Amino acid sequence: DIQLTQSPSFLSASVGDRVTITCRASQGISSSLAWYQQKPGKAPKVLIYAASTLQSGVPSRFSGSGSGTEFTLTVSSLQPEDFATYYCQQVNSYPLTFGGGTKVEIK
Amino acid sequence: DVQLLESGGGLVQPGGSLRLSCAASGFTFSDSSMQWVRQAPGKGLEWVSAITSSGDRTSYAASVKGRFTSSRDNSKNTLNLQMNSLRVEDTAVYYCVGGGVTARKFDPWGQGTLVTVSS
Repeated sequence: DIQLTQSPSFLSASVGDRVTITCRASQGISSSLAWYQQKPGKAPKVLIYAASTLQSGVPSRFSGSGSGTEFTLTVSSLQPEDFATYYCQQVNSYPLTFGGGTKVEIK
Repeated sequence: DVQLLESGGGLVQPGGSLRLSCAASGFTFSDSSMQWVRQAPGKGLEWVSAITSSGDRTSYAASVKGRFTSSRDNSKNTLNLQMNSLRVEDTAVYYCVGGGVTARKFDPWGQGTLVTVSS
């Protein structure tokens, strides 16, 4: 199975900060990686897929990069509505797996 | 609007069974692979199962293989998850999700239904 390791698991940041979350895969997955945002009590929603493609309707301050085993999600200027938990997911092969999550909280 | 609406969650004793359903609308259900994803209280996301658009192939996480069965009825735009031999560790919110490997993303997501396994 492909393991995904997200870092950090917790991040404290201020509005306006540039934030970067990393996701490392235990083996190469090409660009088959998606990023999700989840707020308390709500279902996750996709932000980025195919490593760097912005989902329709998602603000352009979100961006993704990487391929192979190392990927990043960047928020260029954190907004109040961005405080949430973020997950990466590999869609390269079954069993499909998620990273452990990164909780972004207000400093 | 694209919508996935789960039902069937509830409280069940260990060893019991439960059947979840998911009603899809607003998109061409019969063209979409479908997934089940769960989230235990306070924990992260765990993929549970996948089914192809035609329903001819399924995949399961090791933690549920042999106990859970996914099926679909494209004439009714419905996805089902039959859960047998339930364990305390199956307690979670279960999400019905569209997409998969071909789409390279999971989208859309249902609102989730809570399954609690407890004596």
